[in-house]
Amino acid sequence: AQSVTQLGSHVSVSEGALVLLRCNYSSSVPPYLFWYVQYPNQGLQLLLKYTSAATLVKGINDFEAEFKKSETSFHLTKPSAHMSDAAEYFCAVSLSGGYNKLIFGAGTRLAVHP
Amino acid sequence: DAGVIQSPRHEVTEMGQEVTLRCKPISGHNSLFWYRQTMMRGLELLIYFNNNVPIDDSGMPEDRFSAKMPNASFSTLKIQPSEPRDSAVYFCASSPTTTANTEAFFGQGTRLTVV
Repeated sequence: AQSVTQLGSHVSVSEGALVLLRCNYSSSVPPYLFWYVQYPNQGLQLLLKYTSAATLVKGINDFEAEFKKSETSFHLTKPSAHMSDAAEYFCAVSLSGGYNKLIFGAGTRLAVHP
Repeated sequence: DAGVIQSPRHEVTEMGQEVTLRCKPISGHNSLFWYRQTMMRGLELLIYFNNNVPIDDSGMPEDRFSAKMPNASFSTLKIQPSEPRDSAVYFCASSPTTTANTEAFFGQGTRLTVV
């Protein structure tokens, strides 16, 4: 069965510092991978997705993620954190050959300090 | 486009009462999902509709939960009778296709509190 593991339920960085949020997946078939962001009291908004076209995926607000099959990872990065990046981030997987049922990780709450 | 619209945004009800959550998907989207978010279980899929037909309801926790999609622009999730453990944020999402590489667009959610 497919699953997603997000290492670190809370990550804290200083404004301007690198953001790295970790995501590892388990899947028996080629996966499609997504990163969503959830701001307080809001729904989930898509940041980026991997659909096998390119291993390095660029998303909104300067976020990017790299699909590494050998490491079964899809870590999310941003070169320089802004205060407005404080939110909860979810990694999710869906399986090729199936429908777009998203299996979510537990989420990582990002705090950004001045 | 207004996005996925859910109502109400907040609902407080007493144990044993019936609760109905409503969702209007994005126009033209043929897939609709209901998710539940709790601290203990995270985000979990409850039910999936394609072209108004329930395709996968394996995530519906028990018979107290039911969902309908009478037409392409409206869906409901009903809990009857409600219990305190049903307290959660319920999200509706829609997508334009069913293919696995298509993202889902989420509403702002309904925060349900059962006391």
